[in-house]
Amino acid sequence: DARVTQTPRDKVTEMGQEVTMRCQPILGHNTVFWYRQTMMQGLELLAYFRNRAPLDDSGMPKDRFSAEMPDATLATLKIQPSEPRDSAVYFCASGLGGTDTQYFGPGTRLTVL
Amino acid sequence: AQSVTQLDSHVSVSEGTPVLLRCNYSSSYSPSLFWYVQHPNKGLQLLLKYTSAATLVKGINGFEAEFKKSETSFHLTKPSAHMSDAAEYFCVVSGLHSGNTPLVFGKGTRLSVIA
Repeated sequence: DARVTQTPRDKVTEMGQEVTMRCQPILGHNTVFWYRQTMMQGLELLAYFRNRAPLDDSGMPKDRFSAEMPDATLATLKIQPSEPRDSAVYFCASGLGGTDTQYFGPGTRLTVL
Repeated sequence: AQSVTQLDSHVSVSEGTPVLLRCNYSSSYSPSLFWYVQHPNKGLQLLLKYTSAATLVKGINGFEAEFKKSETSFHLTKPSAHMSDAAEYFCVVSGLHSGNTPLVFGKGTRLSVIA
């Protein structure tokens, strides 16, 4: 049963620390998305990649967030330095270009104290 | 730009009674529409998807949704609610006409099921 995996599942850190979240898309999927979920804003897109190339990262605060795909099986989202307002659940999703369906990972719950 | 409006933030039903979760969409062309479900502390699971084929779409766990272009609606229904249906439900529209592009989410409807 292919699924998207994310690590860590939970992360508690202090303000100013670096946070790295990882995502393994479903094998063969060429499109990867990062979404953030908060009570106030709901689900919002941070960035997405196709064939490892970034297509849109306009949803990310550029000064502190960065997203990369070192290879086709790994996507990373990094926050440096982290702030309390970054506390949220971060979801990764993957899909195939040419279709609309996205498959979501279980999320990383980030708490910044 | 595409958008979706979920008309109820919270719906409460008794176990065994019908479920109706309402969604209206806005799109400049024929959209792809989805319903996702999120159980507490879990990720999002695809319930069903509409992509311009049959207007009545059947999904998992007995859910179905009907695409009504004249009403720009895509309401989610289930004949008989189970306790396990208690979750957050998101109506979603695809960002562009084709290809896998960012999804636009509604604010969500929390479904409570009372025993």
